[in-house]
Amino acid sequence: DIQMTQSPSTLSASVGDRVTITCRASQSISSWLAWYQQKPGTAPKLLIYDASSLESGVPSRFSGSGSGPEFTLTISSLQPDDFATYYCQQYNSPTWTFGQGTKVEIK
Amino acid sequence: QVQLVESGGGLVKPGGSLRLSCAASGFTFSDYYMSWIRQAPGKGLEWVSYISGSTSYTNYAASVKGRFTISRDNAKKSLHLQMNSLRVEDTAVYYCAIDRAPRSYFDYWGQGTLVTVSS
Repeated sequence: DIQMTQSPSTLSASVGDRVTITCRASQSISSWLAWYQQKPGTAPKLLIYDASSLESGVPSRFSGSGSGPEFTLTISSLQPDDFATYYCQQYNSPTWTFGQGTKVEIK
Repeated sequence: QVQLVESGGGLVKPGGSLRLSCAASGFTFSDYYMSWIRQAPGKGLEWVSYISGSTSYTNYAASVKGRFTISRDNAKKSLHLQMNSLRVEDTAVYYCAIDRAPRSYFDYWGQGTLVTVSS
């Protein structure tokens, strides 16, 4: 299975900060990567697919980049609603795997 | 609008069985792959299984292969997960989701159903 490693595991930031989360695959996955946001007690929400395509309805402050083994999710200006846990997911191999998550906390 | 509603979760003893269901509405169910994804308490997400729209293709995570069986009834717009030989480590919230195969990201999720395996 392809392993997905996110960093950092926890991130403390303030409203208005630019935030970057990294996801690294154990082998090349081309651009077959998605990013999700999850808040406690709710299902994950798709933010980005195909590494850089913004899902409909998702604010433009979210962006994704990268290819091959390394990817980033950037929030250009952190808003109060963005404090949550973020997961990457690869869909290159026949079995799909998620990163372990990055929790974005209020500083 | 798209709606996915899971049911069937509950408390079961190790070695027991449980069948989860997911009722779909608001889209042409038979056109889409569907997946089950789980999340153990306080942990991350783990993809469990997918099934193609026609039911011809299925796949499973290594952790559940041989114990879980995914199925669907396109006429009833329902997805199922038969879980046998349950283990304590299968305890999780189980979500059904639309799988955008061949680019398998998940854009619609249900609210989840909790499965607890405990003696």
